[in-house]
Amino acid sequence: DADVTQTPRNRITKTGKRIMLECSQTKGHDRMYWYRQDPGLGLRLIYYSFDVKDINKGEISDGYSVSRQAQAKFSLSLESAIPNQTALYFCATRAASTDTQYFGPGTRLTVL
Amino acid sequence: DQQVKQNSPSLSVQEGRISILNCDYTNSMFDYFLWYKKYPAEGPTFLISISSIKDKNEDGRFTVFLNKSAKHLSLHIVPSQPGDSAVYFCAASATGNQFYFGTGTSLTVIP
Repeated sequence: DADVTQTPRNRITKTGKRIMLECSQTKGHDRMYWYRQDPGLGLRLIYYSFDVKDINKGEISDGYSVSRQAQAKFSLSLESAIPNQTALYFCATRAASTDTQYFGPGTRLTVL
Repeated sequence: DQQVKQNSPSLSVQEGRISILNCDYTNSMFDYFLWYKKYPAEGPTFLISISSIKDKNEDGRFTVFLNKSAKHLSLHIVPSQPGDSAVYFCAASATGNQFYFGTGTSLTVIP
């Protein structure tokens, strides 16, 4: 079984809809991250969390919110989706003792 | 403003030859650098890293070189193999909290 899972893997939605992307991990890591990947822009950090009570904004948090329901779960929400949020979204985890992140397989989101 | 830059979007190399992927950064506070490899429909996977106290780190066919004065790092793959064909991202961190990624270089190794 994969250590970092993301659901759904693909989602098509309409402008104005609320969307939640979920991430679960079995690695026991306390640090979790949400990134988006756009062509020509690489991966950009949206939010990160060091434990269930610690949430931090990344480079591009506007239009997004997150919830750390448990150490193993970190959800990303788009309250009112817009077309320029069409992207590939990755969740990642990291142990406090290393700098290596472990990524999920990604969620491809299309906002029409 | 992009703090980590990979100026070559793509690179093609013959199998068996050396692949050199480059990365430049602007933030002099960055003290840890990583390379990730990404296949289509998968998430990035960690490849190799280097701390700013070193100028070279090797792991098998992969070597990362860091030139702090030039704010430049490079990944050397030798010999290149067809299975190395992927997108390679460099990443950098100053505090160990946030990581800044480059835009990626798509490597194609031609058999």
